[in-house]
Amino acid sequence: AQTVTQSQPEMSVQEAETVTLSCTYDTSESNYYLFWYKQPPSRQMILVIRQEAYKQQNATENRFSVNFQKAAKSFSLKISDSQLGDTAMYFCAFMKPLIQGAQKLVFGQGTRLTINP
Amino acid sequence: KAGVTQTPRYLIKTRGQQVTLSCSPISGHRSVSWYQQTPGQGLQFLFEYFSETQRNKGNFPGRFSGRQFSNSRSEMNVSTLELGDSALYLCASSLVAGSQETQYFGPGTRLLVL
Repeated sequence: AQTVTQSQPEMSVQEAETVTLSCTYDTSESNYYLFWYKQPPSRQMILVIRQEAYKQQNATENRFSVNFQKAAKSFSLKISDSQLGDTAMYFCAFMKPLIQGAQKLVFGQGTRLTINP
Repeated sequence: KAGVTQTPRYLIKTRGQQVTLSCSPISGHRSVSWYQQTPGQGLQFLFEYFSETQRNKGNFPGRFSGRQFSNSRSEMNVSTLELGDSALYLCASSLVAGSQETQYFGPGTRLLVL
């Protein structure tokens, strides 16, 4: 069974700083998908970024980028120029490809990120 | 395009009662998944439906059930509620076409069991 571990329960940085959230996972699969979701106090789960394991290039979405190290099974999220609106719970998640079964996300325990003014 | 909608948003029930939660996916999305979120257990997969068929089920008792209709809308039902069923229930939909595996979440239904 796949597992996802987020070793930082809480992080706090100043506005405009860069912050990196860590995520490691365990799987025997060679192809899979990795995601970062953000859950602000409103509780709405919002997709931040997605990475397909067979793609070597790290995904980026504006101020958000990932460092995907497949051999190390590591998938960290970097937030540049952090903003107050980035304050949220961040979840790392793993999914096997559709051809291997139904869609099911396996989540880490989350990292609570606070951006201070 | 409208996002995933869930009704009701908040619900208070007492032990022993049953509850039905509803989820309408993004238009065109055919897969609907349900997750339970609690402070102690985090986010846990309940089940996933595609074309009215349950394809996968998480490790939850039989009191938790669901179904999907021909228009892809889904409902989940919890019978004989227990205090531990208090949680945020999240629904997610995905297109399921080629490599489009991304799940998009609704705002959730917060259930409180007294």
